[in-house]
Amino acid sequence: AQRVTQPEKLLSVFKGAPVELKCNYSYSGSPELFWYVQYSRQRLQLLLRHISRESIKGFTADLNKGETSFHLKKPFAQEEDSAMYYCALYNNNDMRFGAGTRLTVKP
Amino acid sequence: DTAVSQTPKYLVTQMGNDKSIKCEQNLGHDTMYWYKQDSKKFLKIMFSYNNKELIINETVPNRFSPKSPDKAHLNLHINSLELGDSAVYFCASSQFSGGQGKETQYFGPGTRLLVL
Repeated sequence: AQRVTQPEKLLSVFKGAPVELKCNYSYSGSPELFWYVQYSRQRLQLLLRHISRESIKGFTADLNKGETSFHLKKPFAQEEDSAMYYCALYNNNDMRFGAGTRLTVKP
Repeated sequence: DTAVSQTPKYLVTQMGNDKSIKCEQNLGHDTMYWYKQDSKKFLKIMFSYNNKELIINETVPNRFSPKSPDKAHLNLHINSLELGDSAVYFCASSQFSGGQGKETQYFGPGTRLLVL
């Protein structure tokens, strides 16, 4: 069964500091992984996906099949990055989300 | 244009009542979902419909019944509401593409349900 684990429920960093939100998965096939973000009082929206290998709002995420991880990183956090972040694994109409990590970027 | 819309945005009701939440998407997607986000912000899939057919039905009580009149709509009907049903419910849609990593899900704004 596919499973997504985000070990940190809360993460707090200062503005300008690097940030890494951890995500580990368990899945027997080739995973399709995503990061979604939910800003305060806004809808959940796609941040990035592993297949496109892009950088959105300064965030990147690399799929590491050996470690079964898809950690989200940003070298210099900004206050507007404060939000709830969800890692998700998709397979055949079934999207499984991690429990989410609330990131707070302090001034 | 709103891609995925839900109504109502807020729903406050008494225990035992029956209520419905509507979801519509204008993206032409063939798959729609319902998620429940609890007070701890945990997001859990409830149902998934592909071309009006039920694909995923997680272990939710029978009081929850999804209804898909067409590909653009997936409504959620809840009977005999309980206190524990209080949560934010999100609708989403995507276009199945054979597993090529293009199945981005687009979410509605959520419906905040409060059962008193």
